[in-house]
Amino acid sequence: DAGVIQSPRHEVTEMGQEVTLRCKPISGHNSLFWYRQTMMRGLELLIYFNNNVPIDDSGMPEDRFSAKMPNASFSTLKIQPSEPRDSAVYFCASSGYGASYNEQFFGPGTRLTVL
Amino acid sequence: KNEVEQSPQNLTAQEGEFITINCSYSVGISALHWLQQHPGGGIVSLFMLSSGKKKHGRLIATINIQEKHSSLHITASHPRDSAVYICAGDNYGQNFVFGPGTRLSVLP
Repeated sequence: DAGVIQSPRHEVTEMGQEVTLRCKPISGHNSLFWYRQTMMRGLELLIYFNNNVPIDDSGMPEDRFSAKMPNASFSTLKIQPSEPRDSAVYFCASSGYGASYNEQFFGPGTRLTVL
Repeated sequence: KNEVEQSPQNLTAQEGEFITINCSYSVGISALHWLQQHPGGGIVSLFMLSSGKKKHGRLIATINIQEKHSSLHITASHPRDSAVYICAGDNYGQNFVFGPGTRLSVLP
């Protein structure tokens, strides 16, 4: 299995632009998580999907952030408009049922820089 | 006060030493996770446990539910163990909380 796939790996954009981050979870996993990591705040959960339905979006910072999971194999995190304080590494992770329920498998992350 | 605290914040050890990283939490959780973040940034889930002890190779994780405390032990440490170790808790898949991480450097 290729693991969790994220794209792009690096994104540099200017303030005010729309940014879309993409994630493909591990096939068969039914939970998907979006995290943000910064030096100041560490790792934070933004939103969590179960069976393509958003379960907990309390970590989404503000209305500029939105996430969708149109099907079991794809999710997007969109920032519109982007701001310099959104600069961070964004991780996607997935988990599934079974003996390792709740064990999460992380993607390589997308490093976002907003100028 | 942070909901999840870790100690020490930074740790430097000599190769071969036995290492312990501690995690204390103040919220109710159903599972505790230990994550390893490599210098390149990649994150790997090491353990997920809700009681007792788990062992994987040179790594051992324990949890005491009553005391709300978990430890991660590394036996016969090696320079490749150098990473940031993050403790995290969740409540049946929700309300994830993360510790600030412990930066470990193992010197040859």
